[in-house]
Amino acid sequence: GDSVTQMEGPVTLSEEAFLTINCTYTATGYPSLFWYVQYPGEGLQLLLKATKADDKGSNKGFEATYRKETTSFHLEKGSVQVSDSAVYFCALRDGAGNMLTFGGGTRLMVKP
Amino acid sequence: KAGVTQTPRYLIKTRGQQVTLSCSPISGHRSVSWYQQTPGQGLQFLFEYFSETQRNKGNFPGRFSGRQFSNSRSEMNVSTLELGDSALYLCASSLEGAGNTEAFFGQGTRLTVV
Repeated sequence: GDSVTQMEGPVTLSEEAFLTINCTYTATGYPSLFWYVQYPGEGLQLLLKATKADDKGSNKGFEATYRKETTSFHLEKGSVQVSDSAVYFCALRDGAGNMLTFGGGTRLMVKP
Repeated sequence: KAGVTQTPRYLIKTRGQQVTLSCSPISGHRSVSWYQQTPGQGLQFLFEYFSETQRNKGNFPGRFSGRQFSNSRSEMNVSTLELGDSALYLCASSLEGAGNTEAFFGQGTRLTVV
């Protein structure tokens, strides 16, 4: 079945540091890929998405490129802020319907 | 535009009891999905409803059930609660039935089983 693997956290960075959170996937079809963010006590918010190979999703300074050859969708940001501290989830949707398969989540902590 | 509303936000139940959680999707959204989030298992898909029909189902025991009403509101029910059912239950709604549409999540219902 489908699966998503992302790097374990926590990832601790200083403000303005470069961020990479790795995500790889296994899917039988041609999935759409997503990054969601969860702030404490909240639900999930869509951060960015890509629906086909070589697409780049971007939002709020975050970027991720759909790499079919390496089955990856790594999240990057050039300069993190304290307000980016949250848990980040990589996810895929494959096939009919709206079922999402999530990675285990990566907690990011940004120190001033 | 109102977001996805889940009620109640917090719930404490005793083992063996049953519980019903409610989700009101964004107006116009016909697809509602439910997820269980726990520290050990992460985010796991429970089921998806579209136009009152269950379209997808995750790998959960039959104690977990759901339904969707004609106004797209959805409920999930857990019977004979176990301690391991303690979790954050998240509901997500989507505009269309399938395809590359965004899922909007509610804030969740925190269920504690004692």
